[in-house]
Amino acid sequence: QVQLVESGGGVVQPGRSLTLSCAASGFRFNGYAMHWVRRAPGRGLEWLAVVAGDGNEKYFRDSVKGRFTISRDNSRNTLNLQMNSLSADDTAVYYCAKEDGGHSQIDSWGQGTLVTVSS
Amino acid sequence: DVVMTQSPLSLPVTLGQPASISCRSSQSLEYSDGNTYLNWFQQRPGQSPRRLIYKVSNRDSGVPDRFSGSGSGTDFTLKISRVEADDVGVYYCMQGTHFPPTFGQGTKVEVK
Repeated sequence: QVQLVESGGGVVQPGRSLTLSCAASGFRFNGYAMHWVRRAPGRGLEWLAVVAGDGNEKYFRDSVKGRFTISRDNSRNTLNLQMNSLSADDTAVYYCAKEDGGHSQIDSWGQGTLVTVSS
Repeated sequence: DVVMTQSPLSLPVTLGQPASISCRSSQSLEYSDGNTYLNWFQQRPGQSPRRLIYKVSNRDSGVPDRFSGSGSGTDFTLKISRVEADDVGVYYCMQGTHFPPTFGQGTKVEVK
């Protein structure tokens, strides 16, 4: 059974950095692309980034390009999201998600971790 | 980016009655391989999203058959044949045909 468990959320001051992690189990981690998606308070889901199964290809939405970095450690079945220069607009629940079959066909989600950017 | 427009944004429903959510895309979602990468997700209160439907009309394992998806091109629909209390939550369509993947605004389903 696929399990995705995020960690690393919390309260962070504007301008600071934070790294989120996602521990994966129940599937062959290096065989699947992985995504980060967030949901800000009172808003809908927003796709952020994807990394290929081998870690070689990475893509980001324009609004976080240059500020966020996605990475994975296939030896530890872990996905990471490093977020820099955070602002209040980045306050959200962040989800890691597994893709199956290409074309961002997300089929499994973690429970999410809350990031609050506030002074 | 492809804009996904859902309607209605709020859907009060009567238990046991049908419900329908529309999702329209700003570009055709048919890919050159013949597939249409349109998914539907359900997010119950306090839970993470769960995929219900992939590639327009394919139900995920464990999804009740009262949920069905249809459509083509730029016009898609999620139907619930008889709403149950468990169906309360926010429903999102999402396209993966074009990069970046984009979600609709969400439709909040609540019991009248």
